Amino acid sequence: EPEVTQTPSHQVTQMGQEVILRCVPISNHLYFYWYRQILGQKVEFLVSFYNNEISEKSEIFDDQFSVERPDGSNFTLKIRSTKLEDSAMYFCASSIGQASNEKLFFGSGTQLSVL
Amino acid sequence: DQQVKQNSPSLSVQEGRISILNCDYTNSMFDYFLWYKKYPAEGPTFLISISSIKDKNEDGRFTVFLNKSAKHLSLHIVPSQPGDSAVYFCAARSLDTGTASKLTFGTGTRLQVTL
Repeated sequence: EPEVTQTPSHQVTQMGQEVILRCVPISNHLYFYWYRQILGQKVEFLVSFYNNEISEKSEIFDDQFSVERPDGSNFTLKIRSTKLEDSAMYFCASSIGQASNEKLFFGSGTQLSVL
Repeated sequence: DQQVKQNSPSLSVQEGRISILNCDYTNSMFDYFLWYKKYPAEGPTFLISISSIKDKNEDGRFTVFLNKSAKHLSLHIVPSQPGDSAVYFCAARSLDTGTASKLTFGTGTRLQVTL
């Protein structure tokens, strides 16, 4: 079964450094998302992306965050200057369409630790 | 602001018995509800969903019930199997986004199915 793949599985960085989390969505999917889960808390929506632009973002997704689809397969999340509170599991997801009854397929996540 | 609540952080059920996982929501604009299952070191996997125009949806051993007036939904797993042991997340989507973009998740219930 096709799956969303994320790399790396773990990323450790120093506070203030830039990180790029990478995702390869399912190939025929057109809508891409980033979610995150801080340890012990719920999974939270960050951003959705379609047709090379952000379609929706949460208040978490401030100017320190950006997303990009640099080629036909990758979808990246960049955090410009990481803070301690950015430590979380970051999940990429994709869906075929945007209808409200579409289901999202999630990757296995990148555990980001900011020291 | 916990719009989706899963008040039981954990549940233990014997193999073969019924597991009932509960979820409450506060936002009356939610029109579509999903259950995701998550194993350690993996991303959430879609399990079953229900539209707000229905009160029940069944898929094999899994049934989701929706009580709109009580703003409550539940996931029934019968019979429960050891492989069902995982964290179960309730998620909801709002009419006012109208797209697949933003899921609001609960905090999850850890189900342990014992032999």
